[in-house]
Amino acid sequence: EPEVTQTPSHQVTQMGQEVILRCVPISNHLYFYWYRQILGQKVEFLVSFYNNEISEKSEIFDDQFSVERPDGSNFTLKIRSTKLEDSAMYFCASRERDRGYGYTFGSGTRLTVV
Amino acid sequence: KQEVTQIPAALSVPEGENLVLNCSFTDSAIYNLQWFRQDPGKGLTSLLLIQSSQREQTSGRLNASLDKSSGRSTLYIAASQPGDSATYLCAVLDGGSQGNLIFGKGTKLSVKP
Repeated sequence: EPEVTQTPSHQVTQMGQEVILRCVPISNHLYFYWYRQILGQKVEFLVSFYNNEISEKSEIFDDQFSVERPDGSNFTLKIRSTKLEDSAMYFCASRERDRGYGYTFGSGTRLTVV
Repeated sequence: KQEVTQIPAALSVPEGENLVLNCSFTDSAIYNLQWFRQDPGKGLTSLLLIQSSQREQTSGRLNASLDKSSGRSTLYIAASQPGDSATYLCAVLDGGSQGNLIFGKGTKLSVKP
């Protein structure tokens, strides 16, 4: 069964450093997403991406966050200057077509900011 | 603002029991509802997707129902097994949203052998 692949599985970074989280969505999917889950809390929406642009973003997704689809397969989330409160599990997801289709999530990247 | 609540927060049952997990949402104007399974430290595995026009979906020992008007969904697991131990998450896609899945906090299920 097709998978959404995320790398790395775990990243430790110092506060103030930039990090890039990488995702390879399912190849025929058109919609891409980033979600995050702080330990013990709900999974929260960050951003959705369609047709090479952001289609929706949450209040969490401020100027320190950016997303990019640099080629036909990768989808990245960049955090410019990490804070302690950015420590969380970050999930990439993709969806084949319109809202009637379900989401497929990756296995996540655990980001630890020290 | 849509809120999703899952009850109970944790559940421990002996192997072989049938069980029901509950999910409620405050705004009935949803597009669909999806149930996920999350193993500790792992990603989300999709279990069932129910469109707003549907009443239920089944996959193997799992059955999910949706009552949109009352803002409720249930996940029924038949003949539970230790391998079913995980956290089960409910998520709704609002009618006005393109991608913002709103999640509940989950029900942590432990099935004892």
